[in-house]
Formats: sequence, C-alpha cells, structure tokens
Amino acid sequence: QVQLVESGGGVVQPGKSLRLSCVASGFTFSSYAMFWVRQAPDKGLEWVAVITSDGSTTYYADSLEGRFSISRDNSKNTLFLQMNSLRTDDTAVYYCAREFAVTNDALDSWGQGTLVTVSS
Amino acid sequence: DIQMTQSPSSLSASIGDRVTITCRASQRISTYLNWYQQSPGRAPKLLIYTASSLQGGVPSRFSGSGSGTDFNLTISSLQPEDSATYYCQQSFSTLWTFGQGTKVEIK
Repeated sequence: QVQLVESGGGVVQPGKSLRLSCVASGFTFSSYAMFWVRQAPDKGLEWVAVITSDGSTTYYADSLEGRFSISRDNSKNTLFLQMNSLRTDDTAVYYCAREFAVTNDALDSWGQGTLVTVSS
Repeated sequence: DIQMTQSPSSLSASIGDRVTITCRASQRISTYLNWYQQSPGRAPKLLIYTASSLQGGVPSRFSGSGSGTDFNLTISSLQPEDSATYYCQQSFSTLWTFGQGTKVEIK
C-alpha cells in the first residue's frame, strides 16, 4: 500500500536551516507530483510547495518569501524540503502528500507528518 | 491568491442529523474544489474531489455540490466517527489554498 514517511523535524533556532525528507513506497514515485503541506499548532492546513514528477517544475506559497526549496530524488523515492532562514511562524507539522492521479488536482495520500519547532 | 472561506467555523450536531458545511471562493473556480476530513492527531483524508465526486472508500452519506464560488459538503446522517475538522481546498490556481476548517462535534 501507499506509504509516505517524513523525517527531519525537530527544534531549531530562528534563522537556522532544516531539511525534511519524505520516503515513499507502494507506488511508482517517479510518476507523481508531490507536495508539502503544513499545519501550525491548532491551526488549519497551509499548502507549501509542489514539484512535478520529473522535478523540472516547482511552485511555492507566496508566504514563504523564497526561503524554502522543494526537490526530489526519484532514484531513492525521496522528497525533500529545504527550509532556510526559519522563523517562529514556520513552527508546524509538515506533511508530504501525493497528487491524486484521477484529477491531478487533489491530494490522496499523506504521510503522518513531522514536527518542526522554531524557537530560541 | 484565491481565498477560501468556510462557514461555520464549528458546529455541534446529534447522531443522525443532516450537516452542511459551506465553502466560498474569492473568485470563480469552476469545480476545482476538494474536501478533506482530519481527525484529531491524524493526517487529512480526501473525501470529495472536483466538488462532487466521492473518493473511493468514503461512505455515501458524504456528498459535495456547487460550482463557481459556492460549495457545500453535506453529511446526510451524522455518525460518531464523523467528529473531525473538514477543509475545502481549491486547485483552480497554481498556488492551491485551503479553507480555515470547520470543526464538527457530536452533541
């Protein structure tokens, strides 16, 4: 079955960097666009970034102001999120998610999330 | 960015009640609208895609409707396991956005 497992979260100081990973299994990873979505404590969902199946195109939420970078390694079935110049309002659970193949316009599989806490 | 506004922010209903959640887009988005359910401590789950199509494995008491700017998610007969937060999400624009969520509680 489809499985997405995030890792790399933790406590980091403001201004520092962190790299999240998401290992996929149970499907042909290289055939799907992949996403990052985050959720601040007791808040709603926020779409963060998307990368196409071949890694050639990426899009980001305006709120990130160019600080994050999404990438993938299809040979290792792994999605990444490089987060730089972290701020306290980046504190959230970060989910990786797979595009819904029927419409390419939804997210049909999600990981369990990894918590990033930005604090001094 | 396209803003998505859900109402109400929360509701409390009894088992067997019919429940409707509304989502309004700040501009027309055709039927590029999806609904997700998130139970406490869990990842979101896709319920409805393209406004009205039921995702596989989702109970038929869930339904979606609408197009343009106004959309509804309806639970025809509320069950205990439906206690969760529900989010709409638009995919009309390249930068997707979610509604702020509607928390459904059981009386």
